[in-house]
Formats: sequence, structure tokens, C-alpha cells
Amino acid sequence: EAEVAQSPRYKITEKSQAVAFWCDPISGHATLYWYRQILGQGPELLVQFQDESVVDDSQLPKDRFSAERLKGVDSTLKIQPAELGDSAMYLCASSPDAAYNEQFFGPGTRLTVL
Amino acid sequence: RKEVEQDPGPFNVPEGATVAFNCTYSNSASQSFFWYRQDCRKEPKLLMSVYSSGNEDGRFTAQLNRASQYISLLIRDSKLSDSATYLCVVYSSASKIIFGSGTRLSIRP
Repeated sequence: EAEVAQSPRYKITEKSQAVAFWCDPISGHATLYWYRQILGQGPELLVQFQDESVVDDSQLPKDRFSAERLKGVDSTLKIQPAELGDSAMYLCASSPDAAYNEQFFGPGTRLTVL
Repeated sequence: RKEVEQDPGPFNVPEGATVAFNCTYSNSASQSFFWYRQDCRKEPKLLMSVYSSGNEDGRFTAQLNRASQYISLLIRDSKLSDSATYLCVVYSSASKIIFGSGTRLSIRP
């Protein structure tokens, strides 16, 4: 069964450092999402891509966060500089297209900022 | 007021019981609704879509009440394996996606 891949699974960093997360969606899925999930809360959408284009990044803190999906396949989410409040699970999801709506999630990257 | 609200629980019910929880949403223009299940320290997985006419999948029934702006999930004959957090998801548009904070369910033997 095809899966969404994410790496690393765990990341510990010190505040003010840069971190990057990688996501490889299910092959053929045009839509890719990055979410942040704080413990005890639901996932919060940070950015949505349709192929290589950003559809929505209104919740992405653009002063420190950036995301790209250059070839419309895999994607990278970067934080620079990391802050203590960025500690969370970062989830990537994909779907065949935005209209399809069912999202398939990867296992996530758990970030701890010290 | 949050755009999507859920009772965080936890709901602690005995095996075999029926349990139901709701999810309210504030945007009357919301278009699509889903229930996801998330096990502890795992990723969310789709449980079922919620259709206007309601839908049933085995022991699970989902319903939509547009007039009162809520969706519901009913679990019959609950199993130990149903213990998880249940997240409702509301799409106001294809790119406006909001997850609820989740309802924790614990099934006891």
C-alpha cells in the first residue's frame, strides 16, 4: 500500500537553529499539505500545494517558515530560526487532487526545540 | 468562538456500549465534512465521510445537521480497539480546511 513518507521522524534542536523537514507524497497525488499539531490539539493547516503551486499559505508564519515543492512531487518545510513554541508534530498529507478531499497522512516529524 | 469545536472528553465507556459525540462548526457555507481517527502518537486516518443524507459503515454512523451546524459520530457495540481520538474535519472550501481539537474515547473492558 502506497504511503506518505516523512523524514526525519524526530528532531531535537536548539532555539535559533534552522530545521528542515521532508515529505514524499503518494505517487500521483497532486495536492500536498503541511500541518502542525500541538499536543492535545487538532492539526493546523500551514500550507497547501497543488502540484508545484501554493494554493494557501495564510496560516504559515512567513517570517520564519518556508515551504517549497519545486517539481511538484516531494516537498520541504523549513523553520529558521526555530523558537521554543515551534515544538510540535509536523504532519504531511497528500490527496489525488483538492476536490477529492480524502487526505493520506505521513507518520509526522516530532520537533523539540530546546 | 472556534470555527470547529469538539468536546475534548475523555469519554470513558464500557465495551459494548454505544457512544456518540458531536462537532459544531460556525461557517454555514462549509461544504465537506469528515471524521478522522488518530491513535496515540500516530497520524490521523480517515474514518468516514459525512454526507447530507447520513452514512453508515458497520458499527459507525455519521450524520450532518446543516440547520444546527453540527456533525455527529455514533459508535455502536464499542470495542477496545475503538479507543482513540476522533477528529472532525470541516472544509469551507478546497483550501480552507479546519480540524477540530478531537474527542478522546477510551473503551474499558
